This record gives sequence, structure tokens and C-alpha cells, in this order.
Amino acid sequence: GAGVSQSPSNKVTEKGKDVELRCDPISGHTALYWYRQSLGQGLEFLIYFQGNSAPDKSGLPSDRFSAERTGGSVSTLTIQRTQQEDSAVYLCASSYRQGSSYEQYFGPGTRLTVT
Amino acid sequence: GQSLEQPSEVTAVEGAIVQINCTYQTSGFYGLSWYQQHDGGAPTFLSYNALDGLEETGRFSSFLSRSDSYGYLLLQELQMKDSASYFCAPSMDSSYKLIFGSGTRLLVRP
Repeated sequence: GAGVSQSPSNKVTEKGKDVELRCDPISGHTALYWYRQSLGQGLEFLIYFQGNSAPDKSGLPSDRFSAERTGGSVSTLTIQRTQQEDSAVYLCASSYRQGSSYEQYFGPGTRLTVT
Repeated sequence: GQSLEQPSEVTAVEGAIVQINCTYQTSGFYGLSWYQQHDGGAPTFLSYNALDGLEETGRFSSFLSRSDSYGYLLLQELQMKDSASYFCAPSMDSSYKLIFGSGTRLLVRP
């Protein structure tokens, strides 16, 4: 079946502009995660959604970052007033909350460049 | 605070066995995952340990010692396609949100 998809694959924006990144998880997966990865580094957790529960926003680096998940499926990560340090690959992952729920399936990511 | 330690780089010969060690310090612990990431690609799941001991999945095995806050990934019969970065990633609770370090870059030589 289809995997996790993300759009756009690449985004170049000017400092100060807002951007929206989209994630379509695997159908039936109730858990959704956002991470970001700076060049040559590991992934940094940003936010976690599980079903209809309140999201875990503990990883969001500043109040310029927000995310929502509509209808328990598609998620949008919004970065307001982008800064150069926001440049990174933003990765979305989903998992099924039964059985091997520890296994996260990652999308291809959105490479964000802030100029 | 939280910390993870893995070797930054490992080089091995095709057909050999390599072990990538991981020590972690987290405020809580639920389990330890391992992910592989090829350059320019997305991380893919390899293995998960919730309990002490060895988990085997084909050529890959993963070990966990909760009392030592230590784990390792063992790759056998190395192939060129195994050249990639490998991340150990503990999770602190049942959300399974992962903590990643900088990973270990494995280079497999002919």
C-alpha cells in the first residue's frame, strides 16, 4: 500500500515568511509524529498526535511552530516568520497503535531552505 | 537531561560482522529502537527492544541491557548496501516518540 507522503518535497522561502508543510500518513495509522533533521545530525522530535487526544507539543522549539491534524489523518506543520535556523529536513512518521506500534514509518521529508 | 552516545563512524569489510554500541541517559525509558538511514533517504525501522536480551531479525540483531542503559546493533554478513547511518533511539514512554543522537555512519568496503 501507499506509504507516508509529504509535500512539498522542497521549499525555499525568504526569512520572515510563513510556510506550511503537509503530511499524509498511512491509512489507518492513528499516531503521527513530526521530526526535523539538520544537515549531518540526528532527528529532533517536534510534535506527536494520537487519535483525538491533545497533541504532545513538547518538542516544538518556539511559538512560531504549530501543527494540526484534521480528521485524524492529514497533518500540517506551520512555521511562522521563518528564520535561517529553521532550515532543515522536516520528516513525518506514522504508526499503528496496535501490535508493533513502536515501528514508525517515515515519509521522504520536506527540505526547507530559508534564505 | 538526556544524552546518547554512539560511535560517529565505523568501517568494515564486506562479509564481516560489525557491532554498533549505544549508551543512553534519559529521564524515563520504555524501549530502544534502531533505524537505518541512507544518504538522502528517510529512516527505516530495523529493530526494537523493550526487554533485556537479544532480538534477531535476519542479518540484524539488537541487544538491550536496561540496567546498564546500553544496547547494540549487530550486523552480520555485511553487504555494500548496508553502508548508511544507523541511529539508536530510545523512547521514554508509551507515545514512542523517539530521541535521536547523531548516529553512526557505517562504511562497508569491498
